[in-house]
Amino acid sequence: AQSVTQLGSHVSVSEGALVLLRCNYSSSVPPYLFWYVQYPNQGLQLLLKYTTGATLVKGINGFEAEFKKSETSFHLTKPSAHMSDAAEYFCAAGGSQGNLIFGKGTKLSVKP
Amino acid sequence: DAGVIQSPRHEVTEMGQEVTLRCKPISGHDYLFWYRQTMMRGLELLIYFNNNVPIDDSGMPEDRFSAKMPNASFSTLKIQPSEPRDSAVYFCASSTGPPRVSGYTFGSGTRLTVV
Repeated sequence: AQSVTQLGSHVSVSEGALVLLRCNYSSSVPPYLFWYVQYPNQGLQLLLKYTTGATLVKGINGFEAEFKKSETSFHLTKPSAHMSDAAEYFCAAGGSQGNLIFGKGTKLSVKP
Repeated sequence: DAGVIQSPRHEVTEMGQEVTLRCKPISGHDYLFWYRQTMMRGLELLIYFNNNVPIDDSGMPEDRFSAKMPNASFSTLKIQPSEPRDSAVYFCASSTGPPRVSGYTFGSGTRLTVV
């Protein structure tokens, strides 16, 4: 069965530091991959997605993710964290049944 | 574009009562999804529709849960009778084209509390 694994349920960084949120997927077919962000008391918003083409994908709010087929990874990064980045982040992969398979989420805390 | 609209935003009900959650997808979107989110279980897919037809309802917890999509612009998720363990945030999402390629747009959710 397809699965998405997010390493670390909580990540804490200092303001201005690098943000790295890890995501690995299992898929026997070329994957479609997504990152979503959820701010408190809100729904999930699409940050970025990989379908085909360039393996480095740029999203909103300065985030980017790199698709690495050899590592079955799609890690999310941002060079410099801002307080407003504090939220929960979900990695997802396009499932064989047509829906998205979500990881369990990583809560990002940003310390001043 | 008004986005995916869910109502109500908050619902508090007593155990045993019927609860109906509502969703209006984005116009032109032909897929609609219902998810439940809890601290313990994370995001769970309950059911999804394509062109108003239920495609996969294997995530519906039990017979107390039912979902309908009478037309392309409206869907309901009903719980009857409700139980305290149903307390969660329920999200509706919609998509155009193959969701595994295009992704979803989520609504703001309905926070359900059953006391």
